[in-house]
Amino acid sequence: DSGVTQTPKHLITATGQRVTLRCSPRSGDLSVYWYQQSLDQGLQFLIQYYNGEERAKGNILERFSAQQFPDLHSELNLSSLELGDSALYFCASSASGTGAREAFFGQGTRLTVV
Amino acid sequence: GQQLNQSPQSMFIQEGEDVSMNCTSSSIFNTWLWYKQDPGEGPVLLIALYKAGELTSNGRLTAQFGITRKDSFLNISASIPSDVGIYFCAGQLRNNDMRFGAGTRLTVKP
Repeated sequence: DSGVTQTPKHLITATGQRVTLRCSPRSGDLSVYWYQQSLDQGLQFLIQYYNGEERAKGNILERFSAQQFPDLHSELNLSSLELGDSALYFCASSASGTGAREAFFGQGTRLTVV
Repeated sequence: GQQLNQSPQSMFIQEGEDVSMNCTSSSIFNTWLWYKQDPGEGPVLLIALYKAGELTSNGRLTAQFGITRKDSFLNISASIPSDVGIYFCAGQLRNNDMRFGAGTRLTVKP
């Protein structure tokens, strides 16, 4: 158990809909990272938050947004969903705001868009 | 330029054999991380490297941070069936962005 909790584990929704994925970092970790993994593909970095503020941005679509709340949990919002958005979405947390270093991953949320 | 090239893409080996995989880039990275992902699970950190030239071991795993800071390798010695999975390298850029390699899918035949 990495200590990073993601909910829900599975999500099935229709095209055009909007979903919210949630991540609770390890206790004491200030940084949260979001990654997308399509079937049998590598991990694509989406976005990083540190102590409530956006820190780094990867290849995140404009239809996607994220935020980190005062209690340090984070949410990834995916809107106007398309079939190609079906993927595993992972969050990771680390203590340092200067980079992932020892980043620990959650179990992921499997999103299926039908 | 900031992409990581991880090779090989897949490996099929016999139990007991040694394994080597690497990641290269044209960019300089401040940190190199190696992860293993089992099916349906999140990646688990195996080894973290922070300095150019650093060589670090974790059991049967050994990884090195390349001198040029543009590459890293991971070796697994005396492979066993539970080594099966996808191994990812990850590099941290100066702007704190992380880049992941495409992964090496390892199959170990008993």
